[in-house]
Amino acid sequence: GPKVLQIPSHQIIDMGQMVTLNCDPVSNHLYFYWYKQILGQQMEFLVNFYNGKVMEKSKLFKDQFSVERPDGSYFTLKIQPTALEDSAVYFCASSLGLPSQNTLYFGAGTRLSVL
Amino acid sequence: GEQVEQRPPHLSVREGDSAIIICTYTDSATAYFSWYKQEAGAGLQLLMSVLSNVDRKEEQGLTVLLNKKDKRLSLNLTAAHPGDSAVYFCAVSASSGSWQLIFGSGTQLTVMP
Repeated sequence: GPKVLQIPSHQIIDMGQMVTLNCDPVSNHLYFYWYKQILGQQMEFLVNFYNGKVMEKSKLFKDQFSVERPDGSYFTLKIQPTALEDSAVYFCASSLGLPSQNTLYFGAGTRLSVL
Repeated sequence: GEQVEQRPPHLSVREGDSAIIICTYTDSATAYFSWYKQEAGAGLQLLMSVLSNVDRKEEQGLTVLLNKKDKRLSLNLTAAHPGDSAVYFCAVSASSGSWQLIFGSGTQLTVMP
């Protein structure tokens, strides 16, 4: 079936540095998402992105976070600068349309460790 | 805002037994309900979804029940087999126009041969 690929699977970074998490969504999908899961806790919505714009974001999507998908390439989540509390697994997802009418396909996640 | 609680966090059953996972939610306006499966090292896979006008849905050995009065969603795996071992998440959406899914905390299901 359709696959969402996330690269890398694990990233270790020093606090204060910039990190970019990459997501290769399903090729014909139009809507892209990032979710964050801290170890042992629930997966939480960060942001939804469509047509080059953020459609909806949560309070977890801090000013240090940004997303983009330049020219149909990777959908990226950039954190600059990183903080210790950013350590988590970040899941990317994509869909053709709204979650209530379309399946969200999730990647396997990128584990970010901020030291 | 919406709160979703999922239980149990861990569940072990023998092959051929049923496994039941339950989620409760708080917002009566919740319109969309789904269950995902996550195998080790893989992304989340949608198992089944229902809208709020559906009380029961069955597909391929899975049954989803929605009790809107009690704000409870359940997933029943009948005749579980070792390949069903994974983490299961419920996820709900507040309205049909919402982009945001609210996830449960997950249930680690182990099916023993």
